[in-house]
Amino acid sequence: GQQVMQIPQYQHVQEGEDFTTYCNSSTTLSNIQWYKQRPGGHPVFLIQLVKSGEVKKQKRLTFQFGEAKKNSSLHITATQTTDVGTYFCAGRSAGNTPLVFGKGTRLSVIA
Amino acid sequence: DAGVIQSPRHEVTEMGQEVTLRCKPISGHNSLFWYRQTMMRGLELLIYFNNNVPIDDSGMPEDRFSAKMPNASFSTLKIQPSEPRDSAVYFCASSSGTRFLYYEQYFGPGTRLTVT
Repeated sequence: GQQVMQIPQYQHVQEGEDFTTYCNSSTTLSNIQWYKQRPGGHPVFLIQLVKSGEVKKQKRLTFQFGEAKKNSSLHITATQTTDVGTYFCAGRSAGNTPLVFGKGTRLSVIA
Repeated sequence: DAGVIQSPRHEVTEMGQEVTLRCKPISGHNSLFWYRQTMMRGLELLIYFNNNVPIDDSGMPEDRFSAKMPNASFSTLKIQPSEPRDSAVYFCASSSGTRFLYYEQYFGPGTRLTVT
């Protein structure tokens, strides 16, 4: 079945450094979503990408969808302590299939 | 809107007991999802409903797990009998739209289940 892999599993950065997490799918995706889960919290939707090569920005966050629609990335510029949490990608293959979540990248930011 | 509501927030039970988790989706949403989250396995989809009808329950681990959605505003996930390996955080999420799989999911706060 469809698998979604995320790397790295953990990332520790100094406040102000950049951070990137990568998401790779074993199949071509029709769309990909990104979620953030704060420690002790629940996943919260950040964004959805649908088009090949699509790039979207939310303040310091930049999301990309690969040309082949099999990979995606989330880049945070100049991390802040408020960025702490686990970032999940979730992809859906074509057809009537549900979202498959990656295992997430846990980000720690050291002040 | 109050968001997705789950109860209880915490549940501690002994092995062999029946556990029932409850979820109230966001009003107007026609899709509901049950997930289980553990450190080892991450976020796993157990089952999802569309217009109160179960669409795919292939993620339900075994016959001990069952889920129902008797109406648009309520769903339950039952584990009977419970086992220590069922310990996890269980999330309910809801979504809207006819092409529901393309829409963002709104997660509830989760139920932390501990089976001793």
